[in-house]
Amino acid sequence: DIQMTQSPSSLSASVGDRVTITCRASQTVRNYLNWYQQKPGKAPKLLIYGVSTLQSGVPSRFSGSGSGTEFTLTISSLQPEDFATYYCQQSSRTRSFGQGTRVEFK
Amino acid sequence: EVQLVESGGGLVQPGGSLRLACAASGFTISRHWMLWFRQAPGKGLEWVALINQDGGEEYYADSVKGRFTISRDNARNSLFLQMNSLRADDTAVYYCARDVSAAEDCWGLGTLVTVSS
Repeated sequence: DIQMTQSPSSLSASVGDRVTITCRASQTVRNYLNWYQQKPGKAPKLLIYGVSTLQSGVPSRFSGSGSGTEFTLTISSLQPEDFATYYCQQSSRTRSFGQGTRVEFK
Repeated sequence: EVQLVESGGGLVQPGGSLRLACAASGFTISRHWMLWFRQAPGKGLEWVALINQDGGEEYYADSVKGRFTISRDNARNSLFLQMNSLRADDTAVYYCARDVSAAEDCWGLGTLVTVSS
């Protein structure tokens, strides 16, 4: 099984801040790396797939990068609606998620 | 509108069974791999099972292997999850989702399964 590790597990930030979340895989996932946003009581929402492809309708302040085993989600300028929990997911072999990163208001 | 709606959740005793259903609308599930995920209260997301377009391939998380069975009825545009030998740690919100390009672009609202005596 492929283990996914996110860091940090939580962060405090202000509107306008640049936020970076890191995801590491226990073995290569090639480019099968996705990012999801989840708000309390809601289903996850796909933000980025294939490491860096923005899902339709997702604002361009979200971006993804990386390769192999190390990946990053960046929010260039945090907006009020971005306070949520973010998960990375590998889809190279079945599926597995990181433990999540909670983005909180500072 | 593309939509997935889960049903069948509820309270069940340990060792019991439950069958979840996921009704799709706005698209044809026969073109997609389909998946089940779950999220225990206050915890992260966990993949449960996935099935290919014609039902010929199924994969399961180790935590549910041998107890859960994923299936589909393309004619009814529906996905199912048969859950047997339920345990307290199966308590979670269960989501169905559609796969596109090895990512899940459409999720249902979820159905809560509570395993408790």
